Amino acid sequence: GENVEQHPSTLSVQEGDSAVIKCTYSDSASNYFPWYKQELGKRPQLIIDIRSNVGEKKDQRIAVTLNKTAKHFSLHITETQPEDSAVYFCPRAPGGYQKVTFGTGTKLQVIP
Amino acid sequence: DTGVSQDPRHKITKRGQNVTFRCDPISEHNRLYWYRQTLGQGPEFLTYFQNEAQLEKSRLLSDRFSAERPKGSFSTLEIQRTEQGDSAMYLCASSLAQERYTFGSGTRLTVV
Repeated sequence: GENVEQHPSTLSVQEGDSAVIKCTYSDSASNYFPWYKQELGKRPQLIIDIRSNVGEKKDQRIAVTLNKTAKHFSLHITETQPEDSAVYFCPRAPGGYQKVTFGTGTKLQVIP
Repeated sequence: DTGVSQDPRHKITKRGQNVTFRCDPISEHNRLYWYRQTLGQGPEFLTYFQNEAQLEKSRLLSDRFSAERPKGSFSTLEIQRTEQGDSAMYLCASSLAQERYTFGSGTRLTVV
């Protein structure tokens, strides 16, 4: 089936630096791209999402960019803080009557 | 409270016993999903409902698992004859249409 590949699997950055997580998809029909954050011991939470008719979306220190030609979308976190440490997921979200499918995510560690 | 509620938060049971979990979604959300998550993995899809209709059930789900959403509001997930491999966090999520999931805090099941 259609998958989303996420890289890297782990990422360590110094506090204040930027972090970028990239996801590549294969389904040309994909038109919705969410990002979920899961802190240790807590529920996954939607932090930002983008549709295929938009190239970039920002919300304070986080942004998502979409490259439809290359079929990848990325999460950008600027001025990272320790509370950004979490696992980030870019699940496959085909829409319609199909469920969202999660991979193993990217574990981000922000070092104070 | 306008979030997704799950009960109980923790459940310890002996192998072979039956357990039942409850999920109360956000009231205006017509879709309800059950996922299971083990350490280091992303949420794994189990089943989902649109209103009271169960639209999909994972092929990975054995016949020991059953879920209901009798009135299109709350849902229950029952596991019969529990096994140690059933130990996991069971997450419920709800959404309006197919996007923007809101997760509950989960029920942590430990089978001893």
